This record gives sequence, structure tokens and C-alpha cells, in this order.
Amino acid sequence: ETGVTQTPRHLVMGMTNKKSLKCEQHLGHNAMYWYKQSAKKPLELMFVYSLEERVENNSVPSRFSPECPNSSHLFLHLHTLQPEDSALYLCASSHLTGGGNSPLHFGNGTRLTVT
Amino acid sequence: LAKTTQPISMDSYEGQEVNITCSHNNIATNDYITWYQQFPSQGPRFIIQGYKTKVTNEVASLFIPADRKSSTLSLPRVSLSDTAVYYCLVGASYGGATNKLIFGTGTLLAVQP
Repeated sequence: ETGVTQTPRHLVMGMTNKKSLKCEQHLGHNAMYWYKQSAKKPLELMFVYSLEERVENNSVPSRFSPECPNSSHLFLHLHTLQPEDSALYLCASSHLTGGGNSPLHFGNGTRLTVT
Repeated sequence: LAKTTQPISMDSYEGQEVNITCSHNNIATNDYITWYQQFPSQGPRFIIQGYKTKVTNEVASLFIPADRKSSTLSLPRVSLSDTAVYYCLVGASYGGATNKLIFGTGTLLAVQP
């Protein structure tokens, strides 16, 4: 149990489908993140939310749409994906600190396959 | 950018001590050094964090020289279950710049019987 729960664990979707990934953290953190991890590649930061406001968007295609309704929940809405979007999508959370020494706490990810 | 450089892979045997070194020549004054462990199909898990000198917890030690341009994660007496990818991350959990949340390629540690 990591304190960060992601659902579903596995998802298979067609290129025309719309689906959403969910992340919930029970750690009292106030920053949440989406990462993408493709096979044999480093983790890629996609989005950062600080106090429920999006503060970073690393040139992610618009077919990925994040939503952070409160500090405990984070969603990633998916539509018209491409096969190359198949990957492990990881959610993380942390405290916001001026000194910046709050480690990231990750969920176990959603394994997405786009057919 | 506080880019990190680690060996791509390392091999070890059960019971040995393993040291994984990470280079981070452009580390900033306020940056911390954090190490994560990742098993296949799981999210990275925090191992240890430090700013300078030496930090030790129940699973690892972290050695940071005075110039802070590198760090070494030390795993005492590894077991088969320590086979994983180990990432060195330099920066802040969020410091207002995406480079502070960038993971490198990591080091694949393979522990053999």
C-alpha cells in the first residue's frame, strides 16, 4: 500500500474510445503529478498540479486532459489515443515545500494498451 | 539543468554490498538528492534522500561528497528481491521548474544467487 491508489490497473481501449484514469491519495499532500512510462524509456513528466491548479504541462497532446477536482483526486481523461500512447501511466503526490525536499509518492500505475 | 548520469546496469550476488553512483554536476544550492527503486509494472518507491554528507536509514545509505556533484547509494547485503531499477533524482519535489522532476534512465541492478 503506497498511499496513492490508481484505477484501473489495466485498461485496453480502441483509438476512438474515451476513458479516464483515476488517482487518489490519502497522504494529505497538496501536489499531484502524472507521469508516462513507455517501454525502456525514462519516466516522462506530463502534468503537475499544485493546490488543485495546473502549474506544468510539458507539451502533452490535447488528447490527454487532466482534471484535479480537489487535493486528493486526480484524473487523466483520454480520447482518440494512438497506439504509441500505450504505456504505464503513473500518478504521484507530494507536499509542497519551499525547500523542496518532499519525496514523490507514486501509485502502481495504470497499464494502458491502445489498439 | 540538474541532469543526472548513472550506469545503465550493474550485476551483483546475494549478500554483497552494492554501490550505485550518480553524477549531477549542475546541482543547484537548494537541490536535494533522492533515490527511488522501481520494480516492473509498479511505481517508483522512495528509498532515501539527502542534502550533504551521509544519510542512513533501515534499507540504505547515501553518501554525498562536499562538492555535491555526485552521490552514491549503498545497499548492504543485497538479496534477490533487490533486483530493480534505481533512479537518482536531483532537485525539489516541486520547485517551479519541470527539470526538477525529471528522472534519468536509472540503473538496472540484477542480483544473482
